[in-house]
Amino acid sequence: EAGVAQSPRYKIIEKRQSVAFWCNPISGHATLYWYQQILGQGPKLLIQFQNNGVVDDSQLPKDRFSAERLKGVDSTLKIQPAKLEDSAVYLCASSLARTGGAPGANVLTFGAGSRLTVL
Amino acid sequence: GENVEQHPSTLSVQEGDSAVIKCTYSDSASNYFPWYKQELGKRPQLIIDIRSNVGEKKDQRIAVTLNKTAKHFSLHITETQPEDSAVYFCAASMTGGSYIPTFGRGTSLIVHP
Repeated sequence: EAGVAQSPRYKIIEKRQSVAFWCNPISGHATLYWYQQILGQGPKLLIQFQNNGVVDDSQLPKDRFSAERLKGVDSTLKIQPAKLEDSAVYLCASSLARTGGAPGANVLTFGAGSRLTVL
Repeated sequence: GENVEQHPSTLSVQEGDSAVIKCTYSDSASNYFPWYKQELGKRPQLIIDIRSNVGEKKDQRIAVTLNKTAKHFSLHITETQPEDSAVYFCAASMTGGSYIPTFGRGTSLIVHP
């Protein structure tokens, strides 16, 4: 089974520039998450999709961050303009189902992450 | 929303010793508690999980215990090995509704050979 694919793995930009990250979840996984992981901290949810609809984006800084999941498969996360505090690893994860039920349905599989450095 | 506190932030043990990491959660509706291991530079990976209908679950050298009344759960690693060195994250969520795992801040476990 192929894992969650993310690109690019590393990105260095200057503040006020823009950046986009791409994620391809595991085939058949209905739910997709974008997490921000700042060095030394746990992953913080930015946005959750169920198929191509947004379930939760309450912690997404909408003045600069945007995300979409076209056709309920791939997703992109964009930051424009970037700030110094956006330096972090952006993790994409997917799971089979949103609601509970069968064991394993809620297990998150993470991608390798995209490390962003804002100078 | 859910809030997960995790302690300690750093844990240093000798090879062969046991390690215990503790987490507390705030939302009594949470009923699913996974633990993830993240090795340096790698992605978090699920190592064990527990649902609120059980109090303990074991998988070889790792075990998780859950106290619903006190709203805390713990990860126990016995006979630690150097390859156990990693950052461990606990999480809490509710499977019955909008499943959004909330993560703790992580515990850096260092196992000295």
